[in-house]
Amino acid sequence: EVQLVESGGGVVQPGGSLRLSCKASGFIFSNNWMHWVRQAPGQGLVWISRVNSDGRSTSYADSVKGRFTISRDNANNTVTLQMNSLRVDDTAVYYCARDGYSFDSSGQYYNYFDFWGQGTLVTVSS
Amino acid sequence: DIQLTQSPSFLSASVGDRVTITCRASQGINSYLAWYQQKPGKAPKLLIYAASTLQSGVPSRFSGSESGTEFTLSISSLQPEDFATYYCQQLNSYPYTFGQGTKLEIK
Repeated sequence: EVQLVESGGGVVQPGGSLRLSCKASGFIFSNNWMHWVRQAPGQGLVWISRVNSDGRSTSYADSVKGRFTISRDNANNTVTLQMNSLRVDDTAVYYCARDGYSFDSSGQYYNYFDFWGQGTLVTVSS
Repeated sequence: DIQLTQSPSFLSASVGDRVTITCRASQGINSYLAWYQQKPGKAPKLLIYAASTLQSGVPSRFSGSESGTEFTLSISSLQPEDFATYYCQQLNSYPYTFGQGTKLEIK
């Protein structure tokens, strides 16, 4: 059974740092890209970062670029989001998600977020 | 960035109704569109990917279609467990973006 379990959320002051972790199990972790998505209270979903299978390639939303760093440890089946210079508008539930993929009958590749963690709440407040 | 505009934002319907939610992309996304269902306090759940492919385990009353840059999610006969918020997502290019959501409520 695929499981993603986030940890590391909490309350932090503006300008502070937090490190979120997502522990994966039930699949070959090194086969899948991984993502972080966040959801501010009462708001919609926002993609914020992704890391490829070997950890050498990353992408970020403009809103977190230069402040957040995604990484992964394939030996320990963990993806991490280091969050620095936190702002009040970073307050949200943070989800990690697995990038699943498949091929249609013509060989066309498609990806999607097929498994999600339960989320961890980050509150940035003075 | 590719913008996704969902409509309606709120939808009130009854058990047994057929409902349709629309998602319009600001540019072509080559069928790289997924639909998710989210219930309060829970993580999103994948329903459909590649615009029209039903994820394993998802009831067949859910279906997706596309016409150019307009995508639709249909639920053929609403069940009590279907009342939730639905999001579309484009995976054609980074940054991946989501629609603003459609909240489906019981009439």
